[in-house]
Amino acid sequence: QSALTQPATVSGSPGQSITISCTGTRSDVGGYDCVSWYQQHPGKAPKLMIYDVAKRPSGISDHFSGSKSGNTASLTISGLQTEDEADYYCCSYATGNTYIFGTGTKVTVL
Amino acid sequence: EVQLVESGGGLVQPGGSLILSCAASGFTFSTYPMHWVRQAPGRGLEYVASILGDGSSTSYSNSVRGRFTISRDNSKNTLYLQMGSLRGEDTALYYCTRDLSSGFSFDYWGQGTLVSVSS
Repeated sequence: QSALTQPATVSGSPGQSITISCTGTRSDVGGYDCVSWYQQHPGKAPKLMIYDVAKRPSGISDHFSGSKSGNTASLTISGLQTEDEADYYCCSYATGNTYIFGTGTKVTVL
Repeated sequence: EVQLVESGGGLVQPGGSLILSCAASGFTFSTYPMHWVRQAPGRGLEYVASILGDGSSTSYSNSVRGRFTISRDNSKNTLYLQMGSLRGEDTALYYCTRDLSSGFSFDYWGQGTLVSVSS
């Protein structure tokens, strides 16, 4: 079970939109609508931002959105803010009743 | 307020054992599946294990299956992770997480407990 593939870094200026990709296989991302995204600031626990591909938990800003096409899921941050600078991880439920996380993406606000 | 507080981490020699605990409060513990997720220093997140709310079913990642055991005591609102045959690559911050009620994601996380495996 290899980690899902994410870009190592993504950057943007305040107000811009960025998209983070998360590529897996038919046994995980492509096979289930069970992709979630987590934000992690340095020294802090991860925080759920998106679940079931595109749903936002209560309290999460609508400038975070998720989508999926085939074996690739995406997280879009619209109107980038300085506080969005963090590490982001995707995660998918996978065949065999397990979960696989992505390699992680560092988002930098220029 | 949902709270998850892990404990039990520490330094252990390769081949040794350790038991992690996670005290839960602020929700009806027995109705939620629970999970352990770990993060090696400077590395990404890795799924470890899951258990259903009534403890009737468990699952594990390939990297820990046969060495770790997840369990829970719903009368004490506590989740456990028994770790055996520990290896250097098990060194990580271990997080206790709650399953989102609709499933397949982790909506609350503890602050983690650090396990270091070294001679």
